[in-house]
Formats: sequence, C-alpha cells, structure tokens
Amino acid sequence: KAGVTQTPRYLIKTRGQQVTLSCSPISGHRSVSWYQQTPGQGLQFLFEYFSETQRNKGNFPGRFSGRQFSNSRSEMNVSTLELGDSALYLCASSIGQASYNEQFFGPGTRLTVL
Amino acid sequence: SQELEQSPQSLIVQEGKNLTINCTSSKTLYGLYWYKQKYGEGLIFLMMLQKGGEEKSHEKITAKLDEKKQQSSLHITASQPSHAGIYLCGADRDSGYELNFGKGTSLLVTP
Repeated sequence: KAGVTQTPRYLIKTRGQQVTLSCSPISGHRSVSWYQQTPGQGLQFLFEYFSETQRNKGNFPGRFSGRQFSNSRSEMNVSTLELGDSALYLCASSIGQASYNEQFFGPGTRLTVL
Repeated sequence: SQELEQSPQSLIVQEGKNLTINCTSSKTLYGLYWYKQKYGEGLIFLMMLQKGGEEKSHEKITAKLDEKKQQSSLHITASQPSHAGIYLCGADRDSGYELNFGKGTSLLVTP
C-alpha cells in the first residue's frame, strides 16, 4: 500500500506570492490533517478534513486555507506569503476521526519564503 | 489548550546505553502518541497509548502511559545509531480532531 505522498517536496517562493501544496492520503483514508513545523514553534495543527468537510482549524490567519476533494486528496493554500511562513508542511491521513486513529504522515513539503 | 512538555530537549548517548524520554501533559491524557522523525522528514508512528497504566513495546522501544501523573515515558534499550532522530509525543486536543505535539527530543547515538 502506498504511503502518504506530498508534492512538491521543496518550494521556494518570494514574499507576497501564493502557494498550493498537495497531499494524497493512503488509499481508503478519509481524514487528512495538515501541520506546520518550524524550529521555534514545533509542530502546529493547521486544519483537518474529513469527507470534504473541514472539521477543525488551528490558530492560523485566514491566509492559510485548504480543501479536500471527493477522492480524499487535499490541498492547502497560503496566500500573500510572509517570511515567517517558511516551514516544513506535513500532512497526515487516517481512516476515520484523526485523533482516535493512527495518523500516517507524509514526507512533507519544505517551503522557503525569500 | 493542552500543553505537552518533553524532557530532555536533547540527548546524546553512547551506543548500547539505555535512555528515557518523558512527555508531561498539563491536562488529563486520553490518548498519547509517540512519533519519530528523521531530520527534515515526515513522522513515523511508533506507538499509541490510550489506557492508564498501558505499556507497549516494539523491538527495543517501550512506552508507558501513567494517566494519574499525566505523563508518558519512552524507553530505548541498548540504543543504536538507527535510533537517532527527533522523538515527538502527541495527544488528543479537546476538539478530538487534532493532535497537539510536544516540541520534541533530539536524540543522537554515538559509536
């Protein structure tokens, strides 16, 4: 069974641009969660989707948004990029409700904002 | 919100030595997860603990959940260079839809 895949793996953008990251969950998994990891703040929850519905959102500005498609694939978008958005963005998938099922993480997308 | 504090922040041990990493929660733990991360990569699931007093082992790694103390410990026996990485504990947040993570413990195993 293929694991969680994230594309692209590395991305370099400049301030003010926008970016879209993609996550393909494990086949059969309906929940996709997104996390931001930085050296200072650690791993922080962005949002979680289940069956195309956002069930919860972390404490991030509205510039961070996401969506989930009918095939459970998910995208997250960051608009008007800031230097502080440089981070490793991880997505995780699980069969059902995220917190009561093992979450499988992808390799992450390393975003650098110049 | 639930805060998870991990100790120590970093650890350097000689190959073959045992070590313990702790994760303490500011709230009651209903589900505690341990992950390992190679630097700059995704997280690898190690173990999930749900019941007070629960203990699980996988190869040379043992994790325990002490619900009364709101604490979990991860013990590695006879450490190897392959154990090096960042160990993260995660716990269910109140919403039930996300995990809250500790800042991680960086482990280096020297020959």
